[in-house]
Amino acid sequence: DQQVKQNSPSLSVQEGRISILNCDYTNSMFDYFLWYKKYPAEGPTFLISISSIKDKNEDGRFTVFLNKSAKHLSLHIVPSQPGDSAVYFCAASFDAGKSTFGDGTTLTVKP
Amino acid sequence: DTGVSQDPRHKITKRGQNVTFRCDPISEHNRLYWYRQTLGQGPEFLTYFQNEAQLEKSRLLSDRFSAERPKGSFSTLEIQRTEQGDSAMYLCASSSLAGGPTDTQYFGPGTRLTVL
Repeated sequence: DQQVKQNSPSLSVQEGRISILNCDYTNSMFDYFLWYKKYPAEGPTFLISISSIKDKNEDGRFTVFLNKSAKHLSLHIVPSQPGDSAVYFCAASFDAGKSTFGDGTTLTVKP
Repeated sequence: DTGVSQDPRHKITKRGQNVTFRCDPISEHNRLYWYRQTLGQGPEFLTYFQNEAQLEKSRLLSDRFSAERPKGSFSTLEIQRTEQGDSAMYLCASSSLAGGPTDTQYFGPGTRLTVL
C-alpha cells in the first residue's frame, strides 16, 4: 500500500516555461509535506515544504500547493531552468515522525 | 555547519560479509533517520533516533540490520550476513525537533552498497 504516489515518472518542459509536478497521498493523518530534489549519486536536497494548515507556500521560483480535500499537492517551478533538471520526490509525515516518499518524477528542462 | 556526512560513500562486499556504515548528523540535530533507496524508487524508512533512543524501526527491517546512536551524536548501521537484495543506497538524514508537526529532514550523500 503506497501512501504517497507520484504518477508521472517523467516530465519534460522548455526552459522558461512552468513545470508542474504532482503528488497524491492516501493517509489523512499526514500533516507535513515536503519536496526534495535529487541529482544522481547524491542524497536528496530539501526544496520546499508546507504544513497541513496552509494551502500554499512560496519560495522564489518554487511554489507548493496543498489540496487536503483531494489529498493532492503540487510543486510549481516558474520559470524553469536547465539546472532544475533532476529527480523530484514528494514526501509526507505526521506528528514530526518518519517521512514517506513517492517514487519520484524525473524533470528535464530543455534549453 | 558542514551538513550530514556519511562514510563510506561506496562499499562493495561479498555475500555473507558484515558491513557497517557511519552517519554524522548536522551538529545539535537531535533526530537521526536511516533510509534505503533502490533504483526507481523513493527512499524507504528503516529506523530513527531521538538523541540516543531508537524510537521506531520499520517492520520490513530484517533482524540482520541493527542501528545505534550511543551518545546521541553519530550513528552506525550494521548489516550482518549481507545478501544481494541488500544492494542499495543507504541514506542518513537529521532534523532538529523544535516542537510542532514540522520536521524537515536534511539528507547526507548516502552510502552505495553493492553485494556481490
